Amino acid sequence: QQQVKQSPQSLIVQKGGISIINCAYENTAFDYFPWYQQFPGKGPALLIAIRPDVSEKKEGRFTISFNKSAKQFSLHIMDSQPGDSATYFCAASMGGSARQLTFGSGTQLTVLP
Amino acid sequence: NAGVTQTPKFRVLKTGQSMTLLCAQDMNHEYMYWYRQDPGMGLRLIHYSVGEGTTAKGEVPDGYNVSRLKKQNFLLGLESAAPSQTSVYFCASSPMGAGGGGEQFFGPGTRLTVL
Repeated sequence: QQQVKQSPQSLIVQKGGISIINCAYENTAFDYFPWYQQFPGKGPALLIAIRPDVSEKKEGRFTISFNKSAKQFSLHIMDSQPGDSATYFCAASMGGSARQLTFGSGTQLTVLP
Repeated sequence: NAGVTQTPKFRVLKTGQSMTLLCAQDMNHEYMYWYRQDPGMGLRLIHYSVGEGTTAKGEVPDGYNVSRLKKQNFLLGLESAAPSQTSVYFCASSPMGAGGGGEQFFGPGTRLTVL
């Protein structure tokens, strides 16, 4: 049973455009929501993360928007660049042993030059 | 620092064969994890460890065993490989932080094909 649903599966954006990836979760015990970026042939790497006590977190061109009541969060990539082309995974975890991450299914982003 | 390393990078097995995947981390992290990545399914947790000598089951543990005899190493074993275990396997580690949370650091992955 997938507890974190991610959409879209793939996304094509023009250089300079805004990329938006959405995730929805079911378990209200989740209290940590990271986004991971994965390039082909590499392992995922943490991009940005948020906790539910804030509605938005921004790091450079990357912003997480968080809606606790709707149980949704999204990643916005401003001024998208070809170098941003990668697979993005949202994830969620809760307090407890080892902070297990539950991942979304991933979004393959392609930024056209 | 090398971070998280995995060996081998690629492996082809026949059904019924066994193998061990090795993960090593040099960051002195307490927590270690094994995931599998399949198209359209994200990463799914197989087993994890909260410290040397401990292991626990994740979401998809069947057909796999693990051991953490040393803090820096986490081994994933397949006793009798099946085609359904064809996947890319990732190891990750994470420091134990106050209040929980915390970044997981991933290795480069092992691509396993079971014929």
